[in-house]
Amino acid sequence: EAGVVQSPRYKIIEKKQPVAFWCNPISGHNTLYWYRQNLGQGPELLIRYENEEAVDDSQLPKDRFSAERLKGVDSTLKIQPAELGDSAVYLCASSLDRGSYQETQYFGPGTRLLVL
Amino acid sequence: RKEVEQDPGPFNVPEGATVAFNCTYSNSASQSFFWYRQDCRKEPKLLMSVYSSGNEDGRFTAQLNRASQYISLLIRDSKLSDSATYLCVVKRGGGSYIPTFGRGTSLIVHP
Repeated sequence: EAGVVQSPRYKIIEKKQPVAFWCNPISGHNTLYWYRQNLGQGPELLIRYENEEAVDDSQLPKDRFSAERLKGVDSTLKIQPAELGDSAVYLCASSLDRGSYQETQYFGPGTRLLVL
Repeated sequence: RKEVEQDPGPFNVPEGATVAFNCTYSNSASQSFFWYRQDCRKEPKLLMSVYSSGNEDGRFTAQLNRASQYISLLIRDSKLSDSATYLCVVKRGGGSYIPTFGRGTSLIVHP
């Protein structure tokens, strides 16, 4: 079974430029997460989708970050404009949530972003 | 105070040693608990869920102490391949199970 797919794996951009990350979750997984992980820290949740609906986006910096999950499958996270502090690894995860709090998240390999 | 706290380490132990990590959480409404393993420059992967009664998987044992609000991970007979960062994850309840990660504890197992 294919895991969570993310692209690109690496991205280097200059500050003030836009950037977008793409995620395709495991087939059938209804819940999708975007995390940001800074060096030496744990992943920090940016946004969580249940199907097409964003159910928790309180940590998403909405002035510059946006996300969408059309048709409840793959998802795109965008930053516009990027700032130096956005340099991090952006991880996508998915889970099959059937209402149990024990559901496991499966992570993609991440997109490593460097803003110069 | 952070919602989930871990000692970042590193814990530097010889092969064959027993090592234990703790993770404390601040929200008493937390419902579920996990340990993830993250290798350098890789994504986190589930190591084990933590159940109220405690659970064991081979050399790994996880415990939950709700009264003191912490979970623990014990690794027996450490292997070189156990070297990684161990992330504690806590999910709040209340109908929206938001996962919160600790910063991770680094383990280095040396020959």
